[in-house]
Amino acid sequence: AQTVTQSQPEMSVQEAETVTLSCTYDTSENNYYLFWYKQPPSRQMILVIRQEAYKQQNATENRFSVNFQKAAKSFSLKISDSQLGDTAMYFCAFGDNAGNMLTFGGGTRLMVKP
Amino acid sequence: DSGVTQTPKHLITATGQRVTLRCSPRSGDLSVYWYQQSLDQGLQFLIQYYNGEERAKGNILERFSAQQFPDLHSELNLSSLELGDSALYFCASSQGYSEAFFGQGTRLTVV
Repeated sequence: AQTVTQSQPEMSVQEAETVTLSCTYDTSENNYYLFWYKQPPSRQMILVIRQEAYKQQNATENRFSVNFQKAAKSFSLKISDSQLGDTAMYFCAFGDNAGNMLTFGGGTRLMVKP
Repeated sequence: DSGVTQTPKHLITATGQRVTLRCSPRSGDLSVYWYQQSLDQGLQFLIQYYNGEERAKGNILERFSAQQFPDLHSELNLSSLELGDSALYFCASSQGYSEAFFGQGTRLTVV
C-alpha cells in the first residue's frame, strides 16, 4: 500500500513571494502519477498540477511548479508570486497506473498574507 | 466546473436515519470514487466503482453501501446515521487512469 506524507501542517507566505510545500511518498511501483489538489474555503477539491513518474521533466502550470525527485520519493509544490486566492489547504496525492483510488496526504494549510 | 455533479449539496438529518447521496460522473468517465472528509481532516477513501462493478473498498462502514448504475451515475447510501457520520462526502470520477475530478461534495449534518 502507498503512503503519502505532508510534514508541514501549516504554512504562511507574504503576497507576491514564493513558497514551497513538501510531500514525500512511499511506493514499490515504478509507474504512477502524483498530484497536488487545492481545497479553498469553499471546500471544493481543485486539481492544481500532475506529474507522471516516467517523465523526468518537472511539471509546470503557470505560477505552480513541482520538484519531482523519484529516487528520493519526494514531490514538492512551488507557488511563485503568491496571491491571496492561493490561501487554501493543499493535498498531495498518489495515483497508481491502474486507476485505483488516490491516496492523499494529510494536507498543508497555506495562508497568504497581504 | 469539474463536470462531476453531486446532489444534494447540503443534507441535515437525525440520528438513526438513512440518506442517499447521488453522483453523476464526467461524461466518458467509467470510474467513480467516494471519499469522506471530516472537519479539518484529510480525505478518507470509501469505495470505488468501475463501469458498474465494485473495484476497491477502503474504510467503509458496514452501515454504508454504494452502487453504480448502467448510466454510470453512483449512489452512496448511509444508514443508521450517527453524529460522527457528519462530514463532507466527495464523489470523484476518472477515465480509469490518471487524475480524478471531484464534485462539489455533499455536506451531511447528523443531529
